[in-house]
Amino acid sequence: AAGVIQSPRHLIKEKRETATLKCYPIPRHDTVYWYQQGPGQDPQFLISFYEKMQSDKGSIPDRFSAQQFSDYHSELNMSSLELGDSALYFCASSLGPEPEVDEQYFGPGTRLTVT
Amino acid sequence: DAKTTQPPSMDCAEGRAANLPCNHSTISGNEYVYWYRQIHSQGPQYIIHGLKNNETNEMASLIITEDRKSSTLILPHATLRDTAVYYCIVSAPNTPLVFGKGTRLSVIA
Repeated sequence: AAGVIQSPRHLIKEKRETATLKCYPIPRHDTVYWYQQGPGQDPQFLISFYEKMQSDKGSIPDRFSAQQFSDYHSELNMSSLELGDSALYFCASSLGPEPEVDEQYFGPGTRLTVT
Repeated sequence: DAKTTQPPSMDCAEGRAANLPCNHSTISGNEYVYWYRQIHSQGPQYIIHGLKNNETNEMASLIITEDRKSSTLILPHATLRDTAVYYCIVSAPNTPLVFGKGTRLSVIA
């Protein structure tokens, strides 16, 4: 079965640079979530989209922005990168809105290292 | 903040059932109980979820108490590949997941 695709899988950037992470949800899934997992920490919600509109916002820094496109893929744009942005970034997709089928399926993640 | 309480770690012998408890005494009427697991920095994996009835799928069973204040995830025959951090999450449908500390399950040969 098709899974969530994230690219790139690994990314190395320097401080103050920008980065773009991409997420391709499971076909027919209309909802995308972004999570950040720092070293030794648990995943933390950043932002989500439903039908190309922002639906929820978590602890996402103002330096980050995201959007969902007409084909439902999503991109997380990160600017003025800081050392503390080094983390795993997971994208998850779900098929809303029925609660019986709203479970989130996660991608393999993008490991961002800021030097 | 996470609305659940889980033991930080548990051990289970390979081939035996693993019973992972979770307390969620402040759960609201429209909130479901979700279980995910994360195997060493891989993306979290959905296991099962339920509202008030017990649920079973090919991976596990979910037992929810009648007052809905606690639940137990049961892996019927644990294998070494089930070693992971298991997260119990209480959430309304179609909302972001709030991960707590989870339970680190170690399956021992």
